[in-house]
Amino acid sequence: GQNIDQPTEMTATEGAIVQINCTYQTSGFNGLFWYQQHAGEAPTFLSYNVLDGLEEKGRFSSFLSRSKGYSYLLLKELQMKDSASYLCAPMDSNYQLIWGAGTKLIIKP
Amino acid sequence: IAGITQAPTSQILAAGRRMTLRCTQDMRHNAMYWYRQDLGLGLRLIHYSNTAGTTGKGEVPDGYSVSRANTDDFPLTLASAVPSQTSVYFCASSESGTGDYNEQFFGPGTRLTVL
Repeated sequence: GQNIDQPTEMTATEGAIVQINCTYQTSGFNGLFWYQQHAGEAPTFLSYNVLDGLEEKGRFSSFLSRSKGYSYLLLKELQMKDSASYLCAPMDSNYQLIWGAGTKLIIKP
Repeated sequence: IAGITQAPTSQILAAGRRMTLRCTQDMRHNAMYWYRQDLGLGLRLIHYSNTAGTTGKGEVPDGYSVSRANTDDFPLTLASAVPSQTSVYFCASSESGTGDYNEQFFGPGTRLTVL
């Protein structure tokens, strides 16, 4: 079966760094997406990894290890507006996104 | 219109009633998707369409139907609503339904309550 595992909730302090982990098992693999979703809003695209390694985009970075079925999203210099859910979504062999339940990130001042 | 729009924003529906959720995109994307999102669960794919005139079943298609008469519109119909269909429904689109880099863009969602 296909399975995505990420922590349900994390708490971090404004200005700090947080790493959100995601492990996955899918039927085939065609890359992995991270999305951000604020409460009551639609998911919005953050990053995409298809090769092993780190992709950096401003304060956000995403890492992928295909052999380990593992990815993480790294958020630096946390701001209050980063309080949201972060969704890990690998793409399977049929190019369908398989969505994790998301990690709710709470930022405290 | 900019991006993807959905209507209605929210709806309360009596069980057994028929309901169509509307979705329109103006990005000329080939692929469109319908998801439902329930508390504690990931987005689950209901139906998808890789191009106008074709549709496919996702993970949870029972009780739902879709059509794709043109590129822009992808309505989702609940033929006879049941309380378990209470959820937030998101429509999404992407340039292609195949190919690896395939970012999906989401509409604002429809909050549906079936009583």
